[in-house]
Amino acid sequence: EPEVTQTPSHQVTQMGQEVILRCVPISNHLYFYWYRQILGQKVEFLVSFYNNEISEKSEIFDDQFSVERPDGSNFTLKIRSTKLEDSAMYFCASSSTGSTEAFFGQGTRLTVV
Amino acid sequence: AQSVSQHNHHVILSEAASLELGCNYSYGGTVNLFWYVQYPGQHLQLLLKYFSGDPLVKGIKGFEAEFIKSKFSFNLRKPSVQWSDTAEYFCAVNANSWGKLQFGAGTQVVVTP
Repeated sequence: EPEVTQTPSHQVTQMGQEVILRCVPISNHLYFYWYRQILGQKVEFLVSFYNNEISEKSEIFDDQFSVERPDGSNFTLKIRSTKLEDSAMYFCASSSTGSTEAFFGQGTRLTVV
Repeated sequence: AQSVSQHNHHVILSEAASLELGCNYSYGGTVNLFWYVQYPGQHLQLLLKYFSGDPLVKGIKGFEAEFIKSKFSFNLRKPSVQWSDTAEYFCAVNANSWGKLQFGAGTQVVVTP
């Protein structure tokens, strides 16, 4: 069964450092997403991406965040200068259209120290 | 503001008991509704979805949910739970064509043998 894969599963980084979280969506999907879940809180939408551009983003997704689909298979989330409050589980997801179910990856646990 | 509310944050029940988890949303207009499950250490998996048609939808593992438009609700049910149903359950709503999901806070369900 096709699945969304994320790497790494766990990343520890120092405050102020840049991190790149990587995702390989399901191959025939066209819509890509990033969500995050801070420990003990709800899953929050960050950004959706379609046709090589951001289609929607939340207020969380400020100038420190960026997304890219560099090579037609990977989908990355970059945080330029990490803050302690960026510590969370980050989930990548993909869907075939904007109105069908999203398939989620296993998540990357980001710890900023 | 648009929101998704799950009534119970933590539910403990015995095997063979019936389960019902409440979900209400505050969106107007057409919505797509989902229940996702996250088993310990695993990724979010789709349990069931409602897009249109029969408001009683059946999903995997014996789960079902009923969409009641007048109550803005999409409650999840299972007549007889098993120990393996121990997981966190998330209600989610999609209200636009870009695929963005708004999640409820989640309900941690613990089934005791």
